[in-house]
Amino acid sequence: TQLLEQSPQFLSIQEGENLTVYCNSSSVFSSLQWYRQEPGEGPVLLVTVVTGGEVKKLKRLTFQFGDARKDSSLHITAAQPGDTGLYLCAGARRNTGNQFYFGTGTSLTVIP
Amino acid sequence: NAGVTQTPKFQVLKTGQSMTLQCAQDMNHNSMYWYRQDPGMGLRLIYYSASEGTTDKGEVPNGYNVSRLNKREFSLRLESAAPSQTSVYFCASSEFSTVNTEAFFGQGTRLTVV
Repeated sequence: TQLLEQSPQFLSIQEGENLTVYCNSSSVFSSLQWYRQEPGEGPVLLVTVVTGGEVKKLKRLTFQFGDARKDSSLHITAAQPGDTGLYLCAGARRNTGNQFYFGTGTSLTVIP
Repeated sequence: NAGVTQTPKFQVLKTGQSMTLQCAQDMNHNSMYWYRQDPGMGLRLIYYSASEGTTDKGEVPNGYNVSRLNKREFSLRLESAAPSQTSVYFCASSEFSTVNTEAFFGQGTRLTVV
């Protein structure tokens, strides 16, 4: 079983639409990251959130860490074809030997 | 900077064959990881090394062994490959000593076991 569950698993939207991806867990994390992965490449970090309730913005992307540091969301405003890719959340926990726990992933397709 | 380098990029094995996946990082990171990625399952941790000289099992260690050769290098060995090990394998490294920790990934090894 995955420690982090992402929803939805697949998302296909038209250019200009808004979307939200959710990352949920019953466990507490010291920090949570969002990565984006393109075909044939490894994941690349988008953002790290550390404090419960923290909100970070990266251009049209808004990331939020839940108050209890168990969940997070990624909101994209006015999606563009260049946003197409696999989005992965990952929780970091030091008390289990410096591990990253990855979510199941959300595959986003933005149609021009 | 090269970052995290994995070799080979592609490999086809016959069932029962063995092979070693190589990984090296040039960022002086303490921690290194091996993940496998299968459709619909995100990244699953096979083995990790929190620091030089230590290795620990992750979520799916069966059929694999690892060696942390030095601070830079972390190899993954398949002793007797099985079709269930067909996957994309990623090596990653991290400093994991600051609040804003981050995993840096290699480009992956696409392994097919026939």
